[in-house]
Amino acid sequence: AQSVAQPEDQVNVAEGNPLTVKCTYSVSGNPYLFWYVQYPNRGLQFLLKYITGDNLVKGSYGFEAEFNKSQTSFHLKKPSALVSDSALYFCAVSPGGTGRRALTFGSGTRLQVQP
Amino acid sequence: DVKVTQSSRYLVKRTGEKVFLECVQDMDHENMFWYRQDPGLGLRLIYFSYDVKMKEKGDIPEGYSVSREKKERFSLILESASTNQTSMYLCASSSPMGPPSTGELFFGEGSRLTVL
Repeated sequence: AQSVAQPEDQVNVAEGNPLTVKCTYSVSGNPYLFWYVQYPNRGLQFLLKYITGDNLVKGSYGFEAEFNKSQTSFHLKKPSALVSDSALYFCAVSPGGTGRRALTFGSGTRLQVQP
Repeated sequence: DVKVTQSSRYLVKRTGEKVFLECVQDMDHENMFWYRQDPGLGLRLIYFSYDVKMKEKGDIPEGYSVSREKKERFSLILESASTNQTSMYLCASSSPMGPPSTGELFFGEGSRLTVL
């Protein structure tokens, strides 16, 4: 069975500083990896995904994530945080290839960017 | 603009009531999902469907059932609501996993259910 760990419940960062939100995963075979963001009282919005190819993936709103197969990690990063980035972030994984599978999500990390 | 629409944003029900949560998508997606979101637990999969009239149990199906009579509509049913089913319920849809699709989910806004 697949699983995702987000070890930090909350990450605090000052506006303008770089941010990292951590994610590690466990899955059979090659993974499909995703990051989603949730703003208050809203559904989840897709940020970026890793399927294959370049380990550094770029997504929406200036976010990027680095796939590290040896460490089974997929950390979310941004070079310069904005107050508007404050939200709840979820990492998700699925086995790659074809088949009837759903995404498995982590417990979420709340990002707080201080002005 | 693509859309997943959940019929009710907020519901308050009493213990023992039957509850229907409706979800409609306009993207012609084969797959539809119901997740439950609780603080500290993230999203947990209740049921999913990969075709009309087909369903598969997720990680926490107990106390829930689903119905998919049409491709665009996926309903979550609580036969007899209990207080531990107070939660945020999120519906999502996707194309089948496999090139060119990568199984990315599109989510509705969520339905916050309170069971008293």
